Amino acid sequence: QKEVEQNSGPLSVPEGAIASLNCTYSDRGSQSFFWYRQYSGKSPELIMFIYSNGDKEDGRFTAQLNKASQYVSLLIRDSQPSDSATYLCAVKNAGNMLTFGGGTRLMVKP
Amino acid sequence: KAGVTQTPRYLIKTRGQQVTLSCSPISGHRSVSWYQQTPGQGLQFLFEYFSETQRNKGNFPGRFSGRQFSNSRSEMNVSTLELGDSALYLCASSLMAVSSYNEQFFGPGTRLTVL
Repeated sequence: QKEVEQNSGPLSVPEGAIASLNCTYSDRGSQSFFWYRQYSGKSPELIMFIYSNGDKEDGRFTAQLNKASQYVSLLIRDSQPSDSATYLCAVKNAGNMLTFGGGTRLMVKP
Repeated sequence: KAGVTQTPRYLIKTRGQQVTLSCSPISGHRSVSWYQQTPGQGLQFLFEYFSETQRNKGNFPGRFSGRQFSNSRSEMNVSTLELGDSALYLCASSLMAVSSYNEQFFGPGTRLTVL
């Protein structure tokens, strides 16, 4: 069983809709949670991080964390075609090592 | 502030050769982590360096090694290349090590192809 699980997708949403990306993790000691966006042929770009239970909003992005359920999600409001990319969930337990999920491919259709 | 830089961006090598990749972190960042990305295995942690010391190591064979210099620049080396080493090698920069609560920023990567 992988430590960080994501649905590989593709997740297809129409332009202007809310895209909901989900991630589960197995290590209850995990302390911090990150969402990266990766365009094809490019390197991952950090878009959100969250450390505490609840919601964290940054512009069109909202990260949600539920440590009891070992679940973290990313909501993208008003999705744009330029949001089409692979979204990587990453988790740290102790220390600075990131453990990544396999990524979810998001497609936003005009 | 300049981002993370990696050189070279592309490399083609043959089996059995060795390769050295270089990474310069964001100015002021002292921790450098290396990751390997392949279509089959995804993104996997190789190792982390902080203050010229390896702080953490992933599950890779000893052919993969690295070092960090006093200016925080880092190199990784892969010896006796195998076909399966073909991957995107990513360097990530963060302010400090030994902390779960700091962000990592990735460089553009080095695309290594082993023939």
